[in-house]
Amino acid sequence: DTEVTQTPKHLVMGMTNKKSLKCEQHMGHRAMYWYKQKAKKPPELMFVYSYEKLSINESVPSRFSPECPNSSLLNLHLHALQPEDSALYLCASSQERGKTQYFGPGTRLLVL
Amino acid sequence: SQQGEEDPQALSIQEGENATMNCSYKTSINNLQWYRQNSGRGLVHLILIRSNEREKHSGRLRVTLDTSKKSSSLLITASRAADTASYFCATDSNNDMRFGAGTRLTVKP
Repeated sequence: DTEVTQTPKHLVMGMTNKKSLKCEQHMGHRAMYWYKQKAKKPPELMFVYSYEKLSINESVPSRFSPECPNSSLLNLHLHALQPEDSALYLCASSQERGKTQYFGPGTRLLVL
Repeated sequence: SQQGEEDPQALSIQEGENATMNCSYKTSINNLQWYRQNSGRGLVHLILIRSNEREKHSGRLRVTLDTSKKSSSLLITASRAADTASYFCATDSNNDMRFGAGTRLTVKP
């Protein structure tokens, strides 16, 4: 299995909702990443997990809460989001930090 | 935060022509990678060039790296309509990637 999967593909939520994005890989990778990408912009790094421990939090607001339950799974919990949080959220994994990253197809999020 | 700057921002060519995209960055790097993204989808890794390498080839792709100028270029030869996508360089300087602004390539059939 050489792919990164993300669910859901699309998500529409209100500003008071709580939702979660899920990411899964079965390549034995020990580093996993969340990126946020606005239209016509490059991906921006949000969080990095290495060996299931949070390594980097790029000053992301607390309304985004990452979780790494095991080495194959990465979640992003969303609560009280703002309309400006609407974006494509990409998950990636790599063998270790610093190695080539493999991306999932993304979750397109719309906050109303 | 964004590390690299890419130019051009947009490039439109005819099928069969070559496409060259450039990337400049600011800090010292371990390696530089190029990714491709079709509209609104995930990124696909194309090629990685290490800081001690100057040129690398993969099929119709040729990447160069000039660490003295802190710049890289991606050449796609004999372009096809299916090459239409956004292309991003990404630099690894501290074990994490930072993406450039990207070049939007359109190949007309």
